[in-house]
Amino acid sequence: GAGVSQSPRYKVAKRGQDVALRCDPISGHVSLFWYQQALGQGPEFLTYFQNEAQLDKSGLPSDRFFAERPEGSVSTLKIQRTQQEDSAVYLCASSLTMGGTEAFFGQGTRLTVV
Amino acid sequence: GENVEQHPSTLSVQEGDSAVIKCTYSDSASNYFPWYKQELGKRPQLIIDIRSNVGEKKDQRIAVTLNKTAKHFSLHITETQPEDSAVYFCAGINTNAGKSTFGDGTTLTVKP
Repeated sequence: GAGVSQSPRYKVAKRGQDVALRCDPISGHVSLFWYQQALGQGPEFLTYFQNEAQLDKSGLPSDRFFAERPEGSVSTLKIQRTQQEDSAVYLCASSLTMGGTEAFFGQGTRLTVV
Repeated sequence: GENVEQHPSTLSVQEGDSAVIKCTYSDSASNYFPWYKQELGKRPQLIIDIRSNVGEKKDQRIAVTLNKTAKHFSLHITETQPEDSAVYFCAGINTNAGKSTFGDGTTLTVKP
């Protein structure tokens, strides 16, 4: 693929609904990151994968947030029982290197919880 | 954990002038410092980066400097153009742990 692809681009969820956000990284990229970006702020780290291993999930706000990358390629960020404060843009980034240098971002998924 | 502070939050310059954005970081384990440009509604795009073993890097009109002792790094844009208008984010990354922290961004406006 040409770049990092995320789907859906926009998601409106009713409070309490579960959502799943998908990230297709650049083929062969080892590192994958998820970020949450609130309006007017910088991306905030959620979790980091190196291939299929989730090496750091310290940024996940609560146990309602879960991420996986089972085959070391596509990743899914799942949010259970969504709440209004979960409304944000969720960005995925991938990198060829294990440390995450020169990372490329996807276009993001804008989640609105109503 | 790492804390990255970015200043100023907004910056307005005349076309052709220079723009400087500064960031400070707290974690001495951070060893990689990228700068991203994000236009409204679009994805962040990497414009330049610097590793901790380098003091300065330049790419055409864009340069980044790093002072490891003082734990600060800066983005310099010379001969600014209206298309440079965007939000710029700095980040401090510990590549050994894959941990990244972004600044809150600087909205740069270049007036024609």
